[in-house]
Amino acid sequence: EVQLVESGGGLAQPGGSLRLSCTASGFNFKVYSMNWVRQAPGKGLEWISYMTSDTRTIYYADSVKGRFTISRDNDRNSLYLQMNSLRAEDTAIYYCARSVEWSFDRWGRGTLVTVSS
Amino acid sequence: DIVMTQSPDSLAVSLGERAAINCKSSQSLFSTSNNKNRLAWYQQKPGQPPKLLLNWASTRQSGVPDRFSGSGSGTDFTLTISSLQAEDVAIYYCQQHYSPPLTFGGGTRVEIK
Repeated sequence: EVQLVESGGGLAQPGGSLRLSCTASGFNFKVYSMNWVRQAPGKGLEWISYMTSDTRTIYYADSVKGRFTISRDNDRNSLYLQMNSLRAEDTAIYYCARSVEWSFDRWGRGTLVTVSS
Repeated sequence: DIVMTQSPDSLAVSLGERAAINCKSSQSLFSTSNNKNRLAWYQQKPGQPPKLLLNWASTRQSGVPDRFSGSGSGTDFTLTISSLQAEDVAIYYCQQHYSPPLTFGGGTRVEIK
């Protein structure tokens, strides 16, 4: 069974940092592109970052460019999101999602990030 | 960036009746590489992550009931639920999978009348 499990969320201060992790199982993680998608409380979905299986191609949404960094460790079946210079508007559930032709065919249950003083 | 606009924001449909959700993109999602449209539909129930229902505008994912169908081409698309069931109460999102930044519509809430 395909599983994606996010971790690392929590409370951070404005200007602070957090590192999210997503651990994959049940499929060959090494061959899939992966994404981070977030959802602010009571709001819609916002894609924020994409990385190919070989790490050569990366995209970011403008809202996080220069502050967030996506990475992966294929040996550990893991995807990461380093979030720096956090703002209140970054408060959201962060989902890890597997890519199929830039659609998202499998999602984790998400991890909540709250940015507040 | 491609802007995705859904309508209506919400709709209430009687059990067994048809529900239709519209999605419009600010530019064509037609891919000449395979003559398909790069448009996906997701269902999100309360407290759950989204679930991919269809991509390529009309390709149903494994396990998705055939009462869900997608149509349209270019910039105008529709998700149709042919006979609404109680378990279909959810928010539905369209998403363009044409080019980054990957963008979603604002969502349509479907309820039982």
